[in-house]
Amino acid sequence: DTAVSQTPKYLVTQMGNDKSIKCEQNLGHDTMYWYKQDSKKFLKIMFSYNNKELIINETVPNRFSPKSPDKAHLNLHINSLELGDSAVYFCASSQNSGGGGNAQYFGPGTRLTVL
Amino acid sequence: DAKTTQPPSMDCAEGRAANLPCNHSTISGNEYVYWYRQIHSQGPQYIIHGLKNNETNEMASLIITEDRKSSTLILPHATLRDTAVYYCIVRVVKAAGNKLTFGGGTRVLVKP
Repeated sequence: DTAVSQTPKYLVTQMGNDKSIKCEQNLGHDTMYWYKQDSKKFLKIMFSYNNKELIINETVPNRFSPKSPDKAHLNLHINSLELGDSAVYFCASSQNSGGGGNAQYFGPGTRLTVL
Repeated sequence: DAKTTQPPSMDCAEGRAANLPCNHSTISGNEYVYWYRQIHSQGPQYIIHGLKNNETNEMASLIITEDRKSSTLILPHATLRDTAVYYCIVRVVKAAGNKLTFGGGTRVLVKP
């Protein structure tokens, strides 16, 4: 019973293509996130949705568009992929978007390689 | 959110306690201390968090100094599976958003 799942686990694609990564959580959480971990292993938040509403949008190119069809799913669509988009993308969820004791639970990651 | 400082790496012996320090001297009164870890090729894993009091759960203990300027994560009996990068994060409760800002962390190697 995977709490936060992502598909695909690996994604290899050519520059200029459009691709999507899917995320699902079965924890009943209201808030979901996308993080990017680059080649230097630094993890940075990209987006956060609370109950299908965008609440965090860091400085991310508008080629990246998150979509939340319901609060259990947060997908990430990337247009016109560039070499610099190669990274591991992690989805996460938390019970809600506020409160001090609000742990985030991460998925296994999607390794994106742009050739 | 307050910045944290952690040693870049440390080794510990299997079966012994691992004490991981974190300095957060600019922490504010409404900021929590969180610990996460990332085992190689996996997603980050929540370990524990606290505000003022020491905390313990099935994974670890968190000791926060009285002035809250530093904390220590204790893994009571380290195993080889505890080899990972450990992140200390200080986070303020915001009205909208629950952003975690990860630093470089401490790379912990548990040796047999």
